[in-house]
Amino acid sequence: AQSVTQLDSHVSVSEGTPVLLRCNYSSSYSPSLFWYVQHPNKGLQLLLKYTSAATLVKGINGFEAEFKKSETSFHLTKPSAHMSDAAEYFCVVSDKYGNKLVFGAGTILRVKS
Amino acid sequence: EAGVAQSPRYKIIEKRQSVAFWCNPISGHATLYWYQQILGQGPKLLIQFQNNGVVDDSQLPKDRFSAERLKGVDSTLKIQPAKLEDSAVYLCASSLAGNSGNTIYFGEGSWLTVV
Repeated sequence: AQSVTQLDSHVSVSEGTPVLLRCNYSSSYSPSLFWYVQHPNKGLQLLLKYTSAATLVKGINGFEAEFKKSETSFHLTKPSAHMSDAAEYFCVVSDKYGNKLVFGAGTILRVKS
Repeated sequence: EAGVAQSPRYKIIEKRQSVAFWCNPISGHATLYWYQQILGQGPKLLIQFQNNGVVDDSQLPKDRFSAERLKGVDSTLKIQPAKLEDSAVYLCASSLAGNSGNTIYFGEGSWLTVV
């Protein structure tokens, strides 16, 4: 069965500094991988997705993620954090048919001014 | 384009009572999902519909949870009787079709507190 592990439950950065949210996945087939963001009292919003095309995926709001098969990783990065980036981020893997999403436990990003 | 609509947004009930949540997916989306998100955890799939048929309900506690999607559009999720551990956010989501590449869109969730 597929699964994802988010290596940090909380990450704190200063505004203007880089963001790195780490995610490792486990899958018996070539996976589809996603990052979703959840702001307080808001629904989940798709940041970006990887579906076996380019390994470097660009998403909304300046975020990007790189699929590394050899490391089974899909880390999320952003060059410069903004206060509005403070939220909870979920790394997600889908099943073989793209139907069922399996979520990681989430990483709460705090951005300090 | 209107998003996934859910109601009520917040509900507080006593244990052993019943509750129902409603979801209206994005127009034209054939696939509808209900997820449960317990505080501090990632969402977990409860049930997936393709049109008005159930595709996956393997993680739905069928002794107390039920869901239906009559006419293949709106859906309701019911809990009866509720337990304290059912306190969670219930997220409805939809996609054009249940296959890889289609983005899944989430509603803002229905927050349930069981006391």
